[in-house]
This record gives sequence, C-alpha cells and structure tokens, in this order.
Amino acid sequence: DTAVSQTPKYLVTQMGNDKSIKCEQNLGHDTMYWYKQDSKKFLKIMFSYNNKELIINETVPNRFSPKSPDKAHLNLHINSLELGDSAVYFCASSQVGVSSYEQYFGPGTRLTVT
Amino acid sequence: RKEVEQDPGPFNVPEGATVAFNCTYSNSASQSFFWYRQDCRKEPKLLMSVYSSGNEDGRFTAQLNRASQYISLLIRDSKLSDSATYLCVVNKAAGNKLTFGGGTRVLVKP
Repeated sequence: DTAVSQTPKYLVTQMGNDKSIKCEQNLGHDTMYWYKQDSKKFLKIMFSYNNKELIINETVPNRFSPKSPDKAHLNLHINSLELGDSAVYFCASSQVGVSSYEQYFGPGTRLTVT
Repeated sequence: RKEVEQDPGPFNVPEGATVAFNCTYSNSASQSFFWYRQDCRKEPKLLMSVYSSGNEDGRFTAQLNRASQYISLLIRDSKLSDSATYLCVVNKAAGNKLTFGGGTRVLVKP
C-alpha cells in the first residue's frame, strides 16, 4: 500500500496551459504539504494544510492554487504554466503532535514545461 | 545567506571507509534538526533526528553544535547502498515548516 501517492508521475505540457497534480495519503495524517524541488535540488515548501485549513503559504505566484477537499487529499492546480515552473513537485504529510516533524513524501511529479 | 547550507559534494568514499560532513544553519532560534536521505530521482526519507546530546543509529552518528550552529552526520563502514544525497533539515519554532539544505551527495565506491 502506497502511503503518499501522487498523480501523474510525469507531466509534460506547453507554456500557458493549466494543469493539476493530485495527492492522497492513507496514513491518517492531519497535515499535508506541497514542495518544489528545482534543478539545483533545493527543496522548498510551497503550501501546508492542516485539516483542510491553509497554514503555510510561502511566497508562491498566485497561479498556484492548492485545494484540500478532505484531510487525506491535497491537490495543486497551476494556471498559465511558465518555463520556470519546470521542477519536481513533492507532496508530503505528517501528523502534528506525534513525531510531527517526520514528513512522509510522495514519489514526486516531474513537471516539464516546454 | 541561505538558511541551511551544505557542501554539495560529491564525497567519493571507498566502501568500508568513514565519511563525515556538516551542515550550518543561520537561525539561532531553530529548534529541531534532522537528516533526510534522498536517492536519485526518488523522494526524501527521514534518516534520523538530531538530538542535543548527539545520537547514533547503527552506522550513522549525528551531532548538534548549537553554539556554532551546525549539525554533522558521520557514516561508518560505508556501504554501496549509502550512496545518496543527504539533506540537512531544520525546523523553526512555528508550525511544521521544515527548511531543507541543498544536500550533500555521497558516492560509495567498491
């Protein structure tokens, strides 16, 4: 059973398009995250949701909009894709209060914008 | 200055040897420290937490020096399977916002 899953694994699209990445966790965690890992391998947090409530919103263009329909899902929608959006996007989850700093990551979605 | 800095490497290590590397952090209010491991084209996974008194997990030893604001990771008796990028991770007081370093790449060779 996959703990944190993401779809799609690979996404190739053209500039200007709108795309979504889906994330689901079956660990029963109450907090989920989106990270971006760029070509230089730096992993930076974008958003965090706790029980469907946005708690971390880093300086991210408003073309990026997370949506959490329930605490097991956190999707990321990106409008008007740009070349600089090419990166690997990781979803993660954790449980606040119980080993709360251990975050479990999904396998990543490799986004290529052409 | 980056919040968390690491030597990107690579550290080329003969199998069986010991390798150690550090990570420095800039925010003196940082409270929690971790090492994550990331294999090529895979997701990061928690390797170990770093405690003030230092801690060991098998062949891995982590140390924290709050005065100088660095943490270290030492790998003894390196295995080929230890080849990976090791990410230094720091948590500030507020929330679960982890700040990742850029990683130190370790290549263990026969």
